[in-house]
Amino acid sequence: AQKVTQAQTEISVVEKEDVTLDCVYETRDTTYYLFWYKQPPSGELVFLIRRNSFDEQNEISGRYSWNFQKSTSSFNFTITASQVVDSAVYFCALSEAGRGSTLGRLYFGRGTQLTVWP
Amino acid sequence: DTAVSQTPKYLVTQMGNDKSIKCEQNLGHDTMYWYKQDSKKFLKIMFSYNNKELIINETVPNRFSPKSPDKAHLNLHINSLELGDSAVYFCASSQDIAGGADTQYFGPGTRLTVL
Repeated sequence: AQKVTQAQTEISVVEKEDVTLDCVYETRDTTYYLFWYKQPPSGELVFLIRRNSFDEQNEISGRYSWNFQKSTSSFNFTITASQVVDSAVYFCALSEAGRGSTLGRLYFGRGTQLTVWP
Repeated sequence: DTAVSQTPKYLVTQMGNDKSIKCEQNLGHDTMYWYKQDSKKFLKIMFSYNNKELIINETVPNRFSPKSPDKAHLNLHINSLELGDSAVYFCASSQDIAGGADTQYFGPGTRLTVL
């Protein structure tokens, strides 16, 4: 079963629109960590944010904000006033505080391709 | 200074060849990883090493062999390359592996094309 689901495969918006990327996760652990990464057309993976399961406070960083809701197992990412440079594939990922071979394993969603048109 | 570097960035080779991808991190991290990103962009872990000890060994063909000469380096050697090995391979590192808490920082990726 997929531990991280990003149901939106592709999203297209016009510059200055707000856009929300959805992420739903599944885990039995009470301690876990959620991440968002950005993969621009150049191909590298850029870390954006990490959240632990005990911290449900929303986070805002400039035009980016994240909404973590344990009740719905969601960790959604909103870009306000999108720009062309935001065009990228965005990945949500989960790490569980497991043992043995699960240690440090990042489970990635399949990514959402965001295209921002001028 | 690049935190996690990989060489080469592009690798084009013939089926049946043996090739290696090198990874180095200068972050002082204890843990390093290899991930494979397929043509549909799906990322999946292959291996992880913590202080030169193999921790995660995902179900990959044994033609893939990681080697960690020291905790700053994790190389990936691939024998008898097959068409299906074509992908982008990412190296990553994190401070530690304990509890999955630490952020993994990724290298720029190596695009492997097998002809």
